[in-house]
Amino acid sequence: QKEVEQNSGPLSVPEGAIASLNCTYSDRGSQSFFWYRQYSGKSPELIMFIYSNGDKEDGRFTAQLNKASQYVSLLIRDSQPSDSATYLCAVGEFYGNNRLAFGKGNQVVVIP
Amino acid sequence: ETGVTQSPTHLIKTRGQQVTLRCSSQSGHNTVSWYQQALGQGPQFIFQYYREEKNGRGNFPPRFSGLQFPNYSSELNVNALELDDSALYLCASSLASSGVNEQFFGPGTRLTVL
Repeated sequence: QKEVEQNSGPLSVPEGAIASLNCTYSDRGSQSFFWYRQYSGKSPELIMFIYSNGDKEDGRFTAQLNKASQYVSLLIRDSQPSDSATYLCAVGEFYGNNRLAFGKGNQVVVIP
Repeated sequence: ETGVTQSPTHLIKTRGQQVTLRCSSQSGHNTVSWYQQALGQGPQFIFQYYREEKNGRGNFPPRFSGLQFPNYSSELNVNALELDDSALYLCASSLASSGVNEQFFGPGTRLTVL
C-alpha cells in the first residue's frame, strides 16, 4: 500500500515570493511522481511530472526528486494570486497498473 | 481542458439507491482510472480499465463496479449507496504505452447521498 504524505498546513506566501511544497512517499518501488493543482470546486490539473533524481523545471515550477530520501518537492517561483490552490502530490509506476497514490494536498494562498 | 468529459456534473441520491457515472476519455487514450475524492482529502484509487479489461482495483467494496467500452469510454456503478459515498468522483484518462503514464482528469461528478 503506497502512502504519500503531505504534512504541511496551509501555506501563505506574498506575491512574487517562492512557495515550497514537500511530499514523502513510502514505496521505494515508486517510479513516477506528479504534481497536480486543484482549484476549489474543480478537478486536479496536472502541472508536471518527474521520474529521475534531480530537478526538473517548467516555467515558474520546479520539481525536485530524491529517491534515496523518498522525497519530492515543488517550488513555485514568482508566486501569483492565480497560484492560490491546493497542490496534490501523486506517486505511480511505469506501465502496468499505474494507479496513482495521492497525498491529502497542501493549500497555498498567495497574498497580493 | 483535458478533453476528458464526465456526466452528470452533479447528482443527488438517497441511501440504498444505485448510480451510474460516465466518462469519455481523451482522444487516443486507452486507459481510464476512477478515483473518489472526499472533502479535504486526496483522490483515492477505485479501479482502472485498460482496453476493456479491469487492470487493478483499490480498497473499495464490490458494490463499486465498472466497465469500459470499445471506444474506451467508461462507466462507474455504485449500488446500495451509503452516506459516506458522498464525494467527487473523478475519472482520469491516460495512454498505457506512454511509460510515465500521465493521467488527465475530467471535471468530476459531485455525488451527494442523503
